[in-house]
Amino acid sequence: GAVVSQHPSRVICKSGTSVKIECRSLDFQATTMFWYRQFPKKSLMLMATSNEGSKATYEQGVEKDKFLINHASLTLSTLTVTSAHPEDSSFYICSARDLRSDKNIQYFGAGTRLSVL
Amino acid sequence: AQTVTQSQPEMSVQEAETVTLSCTYDTSESNYYLFWYKQPPSRQMILVIRQEAYKQQNATENRFSVNFQKAAKSFSLKISDSQLGDTAMYFCAFMEYGNKLVFGAGTILRVKS
Repeated sequence: GAVVSQHPSRVICKSGTSVKIECRSLDFQATTMFWYRQFPKKSLMLMATSNEGSKATYEQGVEKDKFLINHASLTLSTLTVTSAHPEDSSFYICSARDLRSDKNIQYFGAGTRLSVL
Repeated sequence: AQTVTQSQPEMSVQEAETVTLSCTYDTSESNYYLFWYKQPPSRQMILVIRQEAYKQQNATENRFSVNFQKAAKSFSLKISDSQLGDTAMYFCAFMEYGNKLVFGAGTILRVKS
């Protein structure tokens, strides 16, 4: 199956700093990637849809200036949490859809646990 | 807007037994996809099974099968011969063609030895 790599898996940062999370599709191209946030024992909450070569589409209530998304190539999307604060601590997951397939399957990265001190 | 409901927050099953996880959804569309994803303690989301709404035949993947009732908008997952490695949170998800996934709240499944 298709592989999505997400890095880093764990990051601890000080309040006020910015953190960048990378999401790469390793063996396929993805014009569309998705970024989710997940709280413990809760469902995945879609934050934004990342489109290659264009601006991301943010879900209602998600601050686009706080969560910057860049999708510069068909295999890489990045999420930057700017001026992070303790309330941004969470588990962030990316996914990508394989263009080669008409099965509309999203493949997920392993997630990034962000802790803001 | 589409919604996905998983009414069982937690379930447990004995090893080698069969368990069924329920899922209902709401949509006015006729063409869509349904998925079950598994999230073990590692938190890596893993696709378990996929169903296309226009196919009447229920999807199966080894020990995993679904009961897809389109008119009732129901999409349950049956796990046969449960194994300890099946312990995970299971999410039912809905997708309109080419669109984003809508997840249910999830069901925590514990397989007991």
